[in-house]
Amino acid sequence: DADVTQTPRNRITKTGKRIMLECSQTKGHDRMYWYRQDPGLGLRLIYYSFDVKDINKGEISDGYSVSRQAQAKFSLSLESAIPNQTALYFCATSGIADTQYFGPGTRLTVL
Amino acid sequence: AQSVAQPEDQVNVAEGNPLTVKCTYSVSGNPYLFWYVQYPNRGLQFLLKYITGDNLVKGSYGFEAEFNKSQTSFHLKKPSALVSDSALYFCAVRHYGGATNKLIFGTGTLLAVQP
Repeated sequence: DADVTQTPRNRITKTGKRIMLECSQTKGHDRMYWYRQDPGLGLRLIYYSFDVKDINKGEISDGYSVSRQAQAKFSLSLESAIPNQTALYFCATSGIADTQYFGPGTRLTVL
Repeated sequence: AQSVAQPEDQVNVAEGNPLTVKCTYSVSGNPYLFWYVQYPNRGLQFLLKYITGDNLVKGSYGFEAEFNKSQTSFHLKKPSALVSDSALYFCAVRHYGGATNKLIFGTGTLLAVQP
C-alpha cells in the first residue's frame, strides 16, 4: 500500500460541495485508475488513464471528473457532491502487466 | 460482455479446515483471472493471477486457485484456514488480448474463519 497513497483518508462533506481526492504513486506505472466500492456491489471503475494525455471514462463516470497532473498523480473530483456518492474510493496503478496495486482508500461521506 | 460472479456473500470455516471461495467468469476469448484480498480498513492486495500455463496457480499467504476452463471457474483455495485469513475476497477478470487492462471485479465474498 505504501507505493500508492491517497489523501484524505476520511472526509465528511455536505451536499453541493466540491471535493477532490488525490492519489500519488511511486511505482513508476503509467496506468492509473479510480474505483468506488459499495457494499454488495464490489468495485466499479469510475475513470482510468493510461498516460498523462489519456483519460477514459469507466462504467460510472457521471458526477465525477479527473485530472492526471503527472505520471505519478491522478486526482478525482466531485464537482457537486450528493449523498449517493457516499462510498469508499480507491486509486490503483498498473504497468503493462495486468496486476493492479491499490491505495488504502478514502472513505467519503456526503451529508 | 465480461463478467465475474462470486455466488457466496459469506463463507464460514473453522480454523484448520480447508477453505474454498468460489468464482465463475464469462469472457470472450482467453481470460486473465485474479484474486485480491481486502483486510478491514485497507486497500485491496493482490493474491494471485492466472494468465496461461498450469491450471493450478499458487499465490501469497498459502492460497492457490484452480483454473477450470470447461466450468469457467477460478476458485480460491487454502488447505488449512487461519483466523487471520478472515477478510473480503474479490475475484476479477480481464479479457486477454484486449486493448486495455481494465479489470471487472466480482461483488466480493466475506471469509470468516472461526477459532
